Amino acid sequence: EVQVVESGGTLIQPGRSLRLSCTASGFPIGDYAVTWVHQAPGKGLKFVCLITSKADGGTTEYAASVRGRFTISRDESVNIAYLQMNSLKTEDTGVYYCNRWGHWGRGTLVTVSS
Amino acid sequence: EIVLTQSPGTLSLSPGERATLSCRASQVVSNNYLAWYQHQPGQPPRLLVYGASTRATGIPDRFSGSGSGTDFTLTISRLEPEDFAVYYCQQYGNSPQTFGQGTKVEI
Repeated sequence: EVQVVESGGTLIQPGRSLRLSCTASGFPIGDYAVTWVHQAPGKGLKFVCLITSKADGGTTEYAASVRGRFTISRDESVNIAYLQMNSLKTEDTGVYYCNRWGHWGRGTLVTVSS
Repeated sequence: EIVLTQSPGTLSLSPGERATLSCRASQVVSNNYLAWYQHQPGQPPRLLVYGASTRATGIPDRFSGSGSGTDFTLTISRLEPEDFAVYYCQQYGNSPQTFGQGTKVEI
């Protein structure tokens, strides 16, 4: 069964760094594009970033609001995709979902507050 | 980037009624790469339709997508109690992919 599970969310101060994990099962993570999506409290879904499959070159793409602060990567040896979040801002607060096309996790909550 | 505008913001209907949700794009969506998701509180978003009109695996046939270019529609033919949720459209044909702001279907 294809499954993705996010982890790593926590309460953290503005300006600090945090790494989220997206643990995949049922498929090799390098064979598919993986996307991170953010939902701020009471708001809609917003694209954060993606990494394409190995076959498509493993290229990355970022929303303008996170470019230069966030980095997506993956480790095929442990079948995990990561979201490295630096210089966090209060507006980064919310649930972060990882997804492989058609398969979403339940999300992990990041709260950026002093 | 392509801006997706969904209407109405809220749709108040009863079980058994028909729901029609609209999604309008600010530019032509390449290859009609337009998806619809259902989102229940505390649950992951659920893919309903992709490619504007192809139902995802396991999605009941009361859900149907239509449209092309800049205008897309999700129709729920007869609302079931479990269909009351927020619905999002997403375009993935142009970078960056973008979502609409959502339509809440409420009782």
